[in-house]
Amino acid sequence: DAGVTQSPTHLIKTRGQQVTLRCSPKSGHDTVSWYQQALGQGPQFIFQYYEEEERQRGNFPDRFSGHQFPNYSSELNVNALLLGDSALYLCASSLLRSTEAFFGQGTRLTVV
Amino acid sequence: DQQVKQNSPSLSVQEGRISILNCDYTNSMFDYFLWYKKYPAEGPTFLISISSIKDKNEDGRFTVFLNKSAKHLSLHIVPSQPGDSAVYFCAASASGQNFVFGPGTRLSVLP
Repeated sequence: DAGVTQSPTHLIKTRGQQVTLRCSPKSGHDTVSWYQQALGQGPQFIFQYYEEEERQRGNFPDRFSGHQFPNYSSELNVNALLLGDSALYLCASSLLRSTEAFFGQGTRLTVV
Repeated sequence: DQQVKQNSPSLSVQEGRISILNCDYTNSMFDYFLWYKKYPAEGPTFLISISSIKDKNEDGRFTVFLNKSAKHLSLHIVPSQPGDSAVYFCAASASGQNFVFGPGTRLSVLP
């Protein structure tokens, strides 16, 4: 079992560009959540996907959007990148209503 | 408004002694709490959890205590080992909603 895998591991983008991050959940999991972790802070919830629908959303602007595919994998898209979007982006997979989530190793995004 | 607080950014403990990591929360609707451990270049890994119907949960060297009236929980690690050196995050959720994380405490266990 490969666990939760995220790609790429590191990424550098220019301000104003768009970025897509990818996540494959742990085998058997149907729910994917995305978190942003800025330096020195805890992860902050962006949104959660279940059955290809956005189920919950945190306090992030519409520039942050996502998608879940029939195989439960997920993408996080960020448009019009700002310097402040530089962070570690974490994907967590779980079963719906389960209290235990498994995290990937994250994608480190740097916006210059 | 930080709903989950970990007021100690760092903690150093001697190997073999007890490590106590603290977490405070403000939202009285939180009913489930977890601790995650994070090593550099890795994602957080689940450590231990506690439901609001309990005041203590134990798993090997790790024990979590919950004081609902004080809106406070703590993680005890006994005995501490050098491999426990990591950043520890406290997280809370209300009625199965998304988890709110604290800023983390960096634990260093000195040999």
